[in-house]
Amino acid sequence: GAVVSQHPSWVICKSGTSVKIECRSLDFQATTMFWYRQFPKQSLMLMATSNEGSKATYEQGVEKDKFLINHASLTLSTLTVTSAHPEDSSFYICSATSDSLGYTGELFFGEGSRLTVL
Amino acid sequence: GIQVEQSPPDLILQEGANSTLRCNFSDSVNNLQWFHQNPWGQLINLFYIPSGTKQNGRLSATTVATERYSLLYISSSQTTDSGVYFCAVIANSGYALNFGKGTSLLVTP
Repeated sequence: GAVVSQHPSWVICKSGTSVKIECRSLDFQATTMFWYRQFPKQSLMLMATSNEGSKATYEQGVEKDKFLINHASLTLSTLTVTSAHPEDSSFYICSATSDSLGYTGELFFGEGSRLTVL
Repeated sequence: GIQVEQSPPDLILQEGANSTLRCNFSDSVNNLQWFHQNPWGQLINLFYIPSGTKQNGRLSATTVATERYSLLYISSSQTTDSGVYFCAVIANSGYALNFGKGTSLLVTP
């Protein structure tokens, strides 16, 4: 299957700072990437969908000014958590697909990034 | 939006036992995937199965799209099978995977 990689796997930061998480598709061109968030012992919740070269589409209740998403190339999307606060501590995980698979094709996930805000 | 319900929420098995996990969904789908989330959080793709039956080693899955459910079978369970199993679907009217709440499986020696 296709390989999606995230970096960093773990990040600890102070309250008020910004953190950037990268999501890369290693062996295919990801025309669409999805960002999910998972709180402990809960399910994954979609935060936003990003298409290469266009603005991300955010789900209801997700602050677009707080969670900045950039999908500047076909292999890289970034999620920046701005002015992070302890309540932003969570597991963030990305998913990618390509036009060749279509929206209904199999999706592949990165390893996830665990953010802890002190 | 589409609702995805998984059962049971928790399951404890002794090594070697078989189990069946169920996923019900509330609308027509064109994508259904089963994942295993390991203790480090990584989602491992098990099956892409919007319809039909597939098998991979000790695991198999069946989706009956017309009746809006999918089943994941685990045979001869091993301790390494422990973790959370998620079912996720894309509705015909949707564009992203919607996840169920998962089944937390613990396999004891």
